[in-house]
Amino acid sequence: NAGVTQTPKFRVLKTGQSMTLLCAQDMNHEYMYWYRQDPGMGLRLIHYSVGEGTTAKGEVPDGYNVSRLKKQNFLLGLESAAPSQTSVYFCASSYRGTMDYSNQPQHFGDGTRLSIL
Amino acid sequence: GIQVEQSPPDLILQEGANSTLRCNFSDSVNNLQWFHQNPWGQLINLFYIPSGTKQNGRLSATTVATERYSLLYISSSQTTDSGVYFCAVVAGGYQKVTFGTGTKLQVIP
Repeated sequence: NAGVTQTPKFRVLKTGQSMTLLCAQDMNHEYMYWYRQDPGMGLRLIHYSVGEGTTAKGEVPDGYNVSRLKKQNFLLGLESAAPSQTSVYFCASSYRGTMDYSNQPQHFGDGTRLSIL
Repeated sequence: GIQVEQSPPDLILQEGANSTLRCNFSDSVNNLQWFHQNPWGQLINLFYIPSGTKQNGRLSATTVATERYSLLYISSSQTTDSGVYFCAVVAGGYQKVTFGTGTKLQVIP
């Protein structure tokens, strides 16, 4: 059981280049999330999705776009990479709870280390 | 938005010692999770605990939602407990998760 898989694990980009990070989960989770973690800090939510075909902004969405065309995949795109986007990116997923807001625990991928030069 | 504060920010323990980590939050929450980020950067679920008390081996957690705090207890600490411990909360709207800044724990032999 793979859980949450992030691709790639490492990437170096030049300023202005574009790229897409892929997150795949095999647990049939409804909810998926993208976070970034900067040195010495906790994770900050970039975008999230509560189901196939839906996306919503988190705390730090600027400079990123996302898509959830299939339930198992959540893509994070950088259209024009900037040095400020150098970070470790984590994807997570969770079940939808049976009560409003009572979601189940999040399961995380191993992260993608992205450097923008 | 909701503020999540963790204390202490850094902690050094001798192997075998016990510790308590605290997470304070500024508003009512719908759920709360504790995570351990190991030295390799992996995030491991410890507890999903919006209220009440849970135990798992040497670890236990208590959330007092009415007083807006949660505690993580580590007993008989081991070097493998080293890393950063985060609490994360969801308050208000759907799935807007807010992480605390973490407690960095180092357990020395």
